[in-house]
Parts: sequence; C-alpha cells; structure tokens
Amino acid sequence: GAGVSQSPRYKVAKRGQDVALRCDPISGHVSLFWYQQALGQGPEFLTYFQNEAQLDKSGLPSDRFFAERPEGSVSTLKIQRTQQEDSAVYLCASSLGDRAREQYFGPGTRLTVT
Amino acid sequence: DQQVKQNSPSLSVQEGRISILNCDYTNSMFDYFLWYKKYPAEGPTFLISISSIKDKNEDGRFTVFLNKSAKHLSLHIVPSQPGDSAVYFCAASYYGNNRLAFGKGNQVVVIP
Repeated sequence: GAGVSQSPRYKVAKRGQDVALRCDPISGHVSLFWYQQALGQGPEFLTYFQNEAQLDKSGLPSDRFFAERPEGSVSTLKIQRTQQEDSAVYLCASSLGDRAREQYFGPGTRLTVT
Repeated sequence: DQQVKQNSPSLSVQEGRISILNCDYTNSMFDYFLWYKKYPAEGPTFLISISSIKDKNEDGRFTVFLNKSAKHLSLHIVPSQPGDSAVYFCAASYYGNNRLAFGKGNQVVVIP
C-alpha cells in the first residue's frame, strides 16, 4: 500500500523567504508527527497531531514554525522568514492511532536556506 | 540533553557475520524501544521494536535485546548481508507521550 509521502523532496529558499512543506500520511492513520533532522544527527521531534488536533507543539524551535492538519489527513509545516539554521531534512511520520507505538516515516524534505 | 545514546558511530562487518549495535538511554520512563534503518535520501524504515515488559524480540535475522536495569538495548543482525549497509537509529518513547527520542545513529557497512 501507499506509504507516507512528502513534497517537495528538495527545497532551496533564500534567507527570509517563507516555505511550506506538505505531508500525506498513510490512509487511516490517526497520528501524525513532524521531525527535524540535522546533518549527522538523529531526528528531533517538532510537533504531533491526533486527527486535526495539535496535541504537542513543544518541539517547534521558534514562533516562525507553524504546522496544521485542518481535516485530519494532509499536514503542512510552514516556516516563516527562513534562517540558515533551518537547513535540515524535515521528516513526517504517521501511526495508526494513539496506542500504536510504531511510526512510519516519509522520505523527507531537504530544506537548504541560502 | 541526549536521552538516547548510540556510541561507536560506524561498524564494518564481513558478510555472513553478526552485526551488533548498542544503544543506551537515560529516561527511566521509556517503555517502548524501536530500531529504524535509513538509506541515503530516504526516510527511516521501521525494523523491529520491543516493549519494556520483554527482554527479547526476534524477527527473522533481527533480534533486539533489552536490559532494563542497565538501561541498554542492542540489535543483532545475523547473518549480515550487503543490503544491510545503512544507518541504524535507536528510538524510544513512553506511554502518554508519543514522540520518539532518537539516538544519533550507527553507520553499518557490510563487506561482501
């Protein structure tokens, strides 16, 4: 079956530009997560949705980062006024539900801020 | 602070031999542990997991061992195959907080 998809796969932005990253989770998966992965590091949690409700946004590094999942399926991570330190791979993951502990990841979006 | 630690960032092993990856954690609330495999330019792929009520879980060539008193887990791959060459991440979570905490990863190279 179809896995988690993300678009675009690569994004180059000039410092100060706004970007929007999209995630399509596995159909029927209730939980959706965003992670940020810097070079040579493991993924770091950003935010978590259960259906359309954003239950945890404690990992968002600044108020320039905003995520939404208005209809409980597709999610968008928006970064305003991008900075060089925002350069990273942004990973989306989904899981079946609140009690399902395994998360399934998309291929990621590599963001480069110049 | 790094709650999940993977030392020995890279490992080289001959095809057919055993690969052993180690992971240590500091948060005693963690009750579920996962291993992910990652190829370049792809997202992490779920491999195997273990609940804290068990000390061993096996799936084909992959076995995960958990030592709760030492806050340590390991992944054994036997026999290792060239397609196993990838970065392996250890991750942990606890019930009620679904976020995963990841280690920095181990690069495994299987030599044919």
